[in-house]
Amino acid sequence: EAGVAQSPRYKIIEKRQSVAFWCNPISGHATLYWYQQILGQGPKLLIQFQNNGVVDDSQLPKDRFSAERLKGVDSTLKIQPAKLEDSAVYLCASSLWSGVTTGELFFGEGSRLTVL
Amino acid sequence: GQSLEQPSEVTAVEGAIVQINCTYQTSGFYGLSWYQQHDGGAPTFLSYNALDGLEETGRFSSFLSRSDSYGYLLLQELQMKDSASYFCAASGNTPLVFGKGTRLSVIA
Repeated sequence: EAGVAQSPRYKIIEKRQSVAFWCNPISGHATLYWYQQILGQGPKLLIQFQNNGVVDDSQLPKDRFSAERLKGVDSTLKIQPAKLEDSAVYLCASSLWSGVTTGELFFGEGSRLTVL
Repeated sequence: GQSLEQPSEVTAVEGAIVQINCTYQTSGFYGLSWYQQHDGGAPTFLSYNALDGLEETGRFSSFLSRSDSYGYLLLQELQMKDSASYFCAASGNTPLVFGKGTRLSVIA
């Protein structure tokens, strides 16, 4: 079974520029998550989708971050304009359902963003 | 809010046993998960406890006490490849919330 695919793996941009990350979850997984992981810290949830609907985006900085999952499969996370503090690894994860009853999420390798 | 506390670093000798503790404050708590992450890699799922007690999976075991809001991950027969960061994560009324992680260094 193919895992969670993410691209690009690495991206370097200057502050105030924009960037987009793409994620393709495991086939059949209804729930998709975007997490931000700053170096030395644990993953922090940005947004959770159930199929193509948003379940939780309470920690998404909506003035600069946006995410969509239009057809309930792959997803895109965009940052515009980027700030220095956005430098982090952006992890996409998926689960068959909400992950609550099993606590098991499947993570991609992540997209490492450096903002100069 | 939701918060989890775990030690930032632990060092142990190859072949030994190490315990990584985690305390949590989570509304509508369902269960506690543990993840392993090697440098530059993806977090990978190790275990999940929804009920009190010990769950064993090979060299790794995980324990939960709901009354104490406490859990731990026990790693036995440590190997060099176990050097990684370990995260506890709580599921509840909100999506999975992760602790800051414990960096385990296994030395010869």
